[in-house]
Amino acid sequence: EVQLVESGGGLVQPGMSLRLSCTASGFTFDDYAMYWVRQAPGKGLEWVSGINWNSRTIDYADSVRGRFTISRDNAKNSLYLQMNSLRPEDTALYYCTRDFYNSGSPNYYFDFWGQGTLVTVSS
Amino acid sequence: DIQMTQSPSTLSASVGDRVTITCRASQSINGWLAWYQQKPGKAPNLLIYKASSLESGVPSRFSGSGSGTEFTLTISSLQPDDFATYYCQQYNSHSYTFGQGTKLETK
Repeated sequence: EVQLVESGGGLVQPGMSLRLSCTASGFTFDDYAMYWVRQAPGKGLEWVSGINWNSRTIDYADSVRGRFTISRDNAKNSLYLQMNSLRPEDTALYYCTRDFYNSGSPNYYFDFWGQGTLVTVSS
Repeated sequence: DIQMTQSPSTLSASVGDRVTITCRASQSINGWLAWYQQKPGKAPNLLIYKASSLESGVPSRFSGSGSGTEFTLTISSLQPDDFATYYCQQYNSHSYTFGQGTKLETK
């Protein structure tokens, strides 16, 4: 059974940093591109970042580029999101998601989602 | 960036109804469109990809169609489990944008 379990969320002040983690199981992690998608409270979905299987292809939403860094450790079946210079508008539930295809290349749509980790940015 | 606009934002329907949700893109997305269902407190669930391909395990009452800039999600006979929020998403180009969502509620 495919499982994606996020952790690392919490309450932080504006300007601070946070690192999210996602631990994957039930599939061959390095066969897939992986992503972060977020959802502000009561709002819609926003793609945040994606990474291919060997970390050579990485992309970010304009709203987070330069502040967030995505990475992965295939030996640990883990995906990360380092979030710096956090803003109140970054407050959201952050989902770890898996690419639809097991090609390792990003296709940017998602067949499995974790349950999310909540990030709240507030003073 | 491509903008995705769903209509309606809210849809009231009854069990057994045939319902249709529309998603319009601000420019052609070459059929690279997915539909997701999200229930309260849960993660989204992929229903349809490539505009009309049904994800494995999704009931056949769900179908997708469209091309160019206009797409639809149809539920042929609404079931109690289908009351949820539905999102379209284009994956043709950066920033892989979602529609604002359509909440399907009980009439």
